[in-house]
Amino acid sequence: NAGVTQTPKFQVLKTGQSMTLQCAQDMNHNSMYWYRQDPGMGLRLIYYSASEGTTDKGEVPNGYNVSRLNKREFSLRLESAAPSQTSVYFCASSESPRGDTHEQYFGPGTRLTVT
Amino acid sequence: LAKTTQPISMDSYEGQEVNITCSHNNIATNDYITWYQQFPSQGPRFIIQGYKTKVTNEVASLFIPADRKSSTLSLPRVSLSDTAVYYCLVRSGGGADGLTFGKGTHLIIQP
Repeated sequence: NAGVTQTPKFQVLKTGQSMTLQCAQDMNHNSMYWYRQDPGMGLRLIYYSASEGTTDKGEVPNGYNVSRLNKREFSLRLESAAPSQTSVYFCASSESPRGDTHEQYFGPGTRLTVT
Repeated sequence: LAKTTQPISMDSYEGQEVNITCSHNNIATNDYITWYQQFPSQGPRFIIQGYKTKVTNEVASLFIPADRKSSTLSLPRVSLSDTAVYYCLVRSGGGADGLTFGKGTHLIIQP
């Protein structure tokens, strides 16, 4: 099992450009999540998908859109990148959103720089 | 209102037992407590989860008092490789509540 995979690993964008970050999991998990982590900070939730076909906003959704393409895949799109979106982006999945089964598995991250 | 509070940093030495405490005064009846570990340039990794009393696995123990307003992650006989950031989360339902990792506790282990 590959677990949670993310592409690309690194990306440099110019202000105003768009891009999509891809995430896939092979653990048959129901829930998937996108986080961003800025230097010296904890992870902040951007969007999550409790189950296939549903998506909801997290703490910092502005400037992002998501698509839960199927049970395996959850993509994050930046429509018009801004320097404030320079960050490391982590995708995660869990079997269930419930607290008692909420062990999250994280991908390796995508380092995004917006100039 | 922050759901959890942890020390920003801690230092210890190889071979020692390290205890990291997390405060969660507003924990709800259905909330579970989960701890994660993060190394530089990696995503967080699950360590342990519990609801009450004590939970132990191969890497750590989690102590939760009866009032559940705090919890303590215990790492036995730490090594240099335990230097990392440790996050405490509390969560029950399926919404976004309880999915903020905060700044965590930066644990530094010295020789």
